[in-house]
Amino acid sequence: ETGVTQSPTHLIKTRGQQVTLRCSSQSGHNTVSWYQQALGQGPQFIFQYYREEENGRGNFPPRFSGLQFPNYSSELNVNALELDDSALYLCASRSGSDTQYFGPGTRLTVL
Amino acid sequence: GEDVEQSLFLSVREGDSSVINCTYTDSSSTYLYWYKQEPGAGLQLLTYIFSNMDMKQDQRLTVLLNKKDKHLSLRIADTQTGDSAIYFCAEINDYKLSFGAGTTVTVRA
Repeated sequence: ETGVTQSPTHLIKTRGQQVTLRCSSQSGHNTVSWYQQALGQGPQFIFQYYREEENGRGNFPPRFSGLQFPNYSSELNVNALELDDSALYLCASRSGSDTQYFGPGTRLTVL
Repeated sequence: GEDVEQSLFLSVREGDSSVINCTYTDSSSTYLYWYKQEPGAGLQLLTYIFSNMDMKQDQRLTVLLNKKDKHLSLRIADTQTGDSAIYFCAEINDYKLSFGAGTTVTVRA
């Protein structure tokens, strides 16, 4: 148990829809990162939030956006869903330069 | 393509040692990590090594780091059926973890 929780566990959407995924960080962790893991691949960095601001982004289009709240919980929003967005979405939290701890992930299927 | 490379599959007999190899590209990475992922689950941090170390041992796990060759390995002693999983090595650049594609370890009786 890492203390990082994510919801929902599984989600099915259709192309063109919008989705919001949620993450609750480990207590005391002020930084959250989101990763996308396609089937058979390693996780790919989407972006990171620190003190409610995005402060790093990977190679993902603007339809991937996020929020971090004062209690350090976080959301990942994806607009105009595409079939290739089907993946396991992982969030990871950390404090300062410490190690990142991952949640169990949300499995998104886009039909 | 991946900046971090790993062999894709490893089959090992129960009780033997497993060795998973990884090469990375970013020589400025301060830490290198090994994560374990079981089917349908998230990533579990197994161990990590600071870049100025050559070796780290943690119970059944031994990490070896060759900075000159940018080579990282994870040895699991006395491999058990519960060790069957996908193992990812990862380098860190500032805040961002870059992962390999993962090595699927299958433990056979």
